[in-house]
Amino acid sequence: DAGVIQSPRHEVTEMGQEVTLRCKPISGHDYLFWYRQTMMRGLELLIYFNNNVPIDDSGMPEDRFSAKMPNASFSTLKIQPSEPRDSAVYFCAIFAAGSVYTFGSGTRLTVV
Amino acid sequence: SQQGEEDPQALSIQEGENATMNCSYKTSINNLQWYRQNSGRGLVHLILIRSNEREKHSGRLRVTLDTSKKSSSLLITASRAADTASYFCATAHQGGSEKLVFGKGTKLTVNP
Repeated sequence: DAGVIQSPRHEVTEMGQEVTLRCKPISGHDYLFWYRQTMMRGLELLIYFNNNVPIDDSGMPEDRFSAKMPNASFSTLKIQPSEPRDSAVYFCAIFAAGSVYTFGSGTRLTVV
Repeated sequence: SQQGEEDPQALSIQEGENATMNCSYKTSINNLQWYRQNSGRGLVHLILIRSNEREKHSGRLRVTLDTSKKSSSLLITASRAADTASYFCATAHQGGSEKLVFGKGTKLTVNP
């Protein structure tokens, strides 16, 4: 997990609040992915970036979700307003051509 | 959906036994990868097999790929308690091999 740092590790928030999840890739990459993991749906791809540009956001469930990548070393996933059904573990992963995915340790989000 | 399906969903064995997990997918692939996830952690890459390969080994891991049946298997030989984790197959599809589609995983428990 050393190649990707995610924060916070755990987040508990009340319904309606804004939540911002952070991802800091440490090692070199061409692509950055945001995934959501739940027991019911498994790992779902939400959005991914290539050289900081969003390529495919078709997995973003609603307009309440947004993601940015202002530079190669930082990305955020924002949920506003949050709902209980957003509770999940959110993973950031990076990929470089010719390599394999490296995942962060994830952020466990609980919306009450 | 392109999502792969692992089988079985859960597997419990004794230390020293072999564990076999299967994965099926729906569309043509560029490669297929297996990942491991320990509880509360991110996914870690185990092995990649390309669409023109039929079998691959890495230590105690053996992966097979049958593109005619759109299926793969992961064999862990001489299992150890430390192998307890969830195992996921992920497919990289032709025309978009940077994007991985994950199955829901097999939860393996190795009893000491």
